[in-house]
Amino acid sequence: GESVGLHLPTLSVQEGDNSIINCAYSNSASDYFIWYKQESGKGPQFIIDIRSNMDKRQGQRVTVLLNKTVKHLSLQIAATQPGDSAVYFCAEAMDSSYKLIFGSGTRLLVRP
Amino acid sequence: KAGVTQTPRYLIKTRGQQVTLSCSPISGHRSVSWYQQTPGQGLQFLFEYFSETQRNKGNFPGRFSGRQFSNSRSEMNVSTLELGDSALYLCASRPGTGTEKLFFGSGTQLSVL
Repeated sequence: GESVGLHLPTLSVQEGDNSIINCAYSNSASDYFIWYKQESGKGPQFIIDIRSNMDKRQGQRVTVLLNKTVKHLSLQIAATQPGDSAVYFCAEAMDSSYKLIFGSGTRLLVRP
Repeated sequence: KAGVTQTPRYLIKTRGQQVTLSCSPISGHRSVSWYQQTPGQGLQFLFEYFSETQRNKGNFPGRFSGRQFSNSRSEMNVSTLELGDSALYLCASRPGTGTEKLFFGSGTQLSVL
């Protein structure tokens, strides 16, 4: 996997604003993508997923956009709340390999 | 429904020892995967078990092994521990077919001294 280090990219937003977290994936053959949220001391928690035959999917307050041309994934969080503060990971999988390949993560900080 | 349960939550070992971590998947889930999470390498896939058979394996040395029991519970073992094995070990489960979506436990934090 890509190196995360202690210097995760950080996105700082004001409470109530919209957040956009970006992710570049590695394999053009990947056909499944997923976003996870990880809070301190916890395991990753599922947020939303999308298959490669779609370019947009919406959930509750979240939207995932997929651009296969440039191998880019984004997670949009509407009306960001303090409880959204966490590290967000994107992951990809190919052809039902059942192995998720995770990106390096982005830390989201929500300012009150 | 209870989530994925991992035990122990924390573990401290010394170099050269071996360790066994345990995972109980969500009821009804037949697939269990293991991931290693470190600040330097992020989340890396170790292996996946389905119906007691290893279905996929990551790029880790043979010191890392696992198994799955008939009740879908899984264990992973690390022999001859090295300092670099210090990490959060995450177990995740899924029904086994039809979705790649994983449900993660809270992990076992292993420290090797």
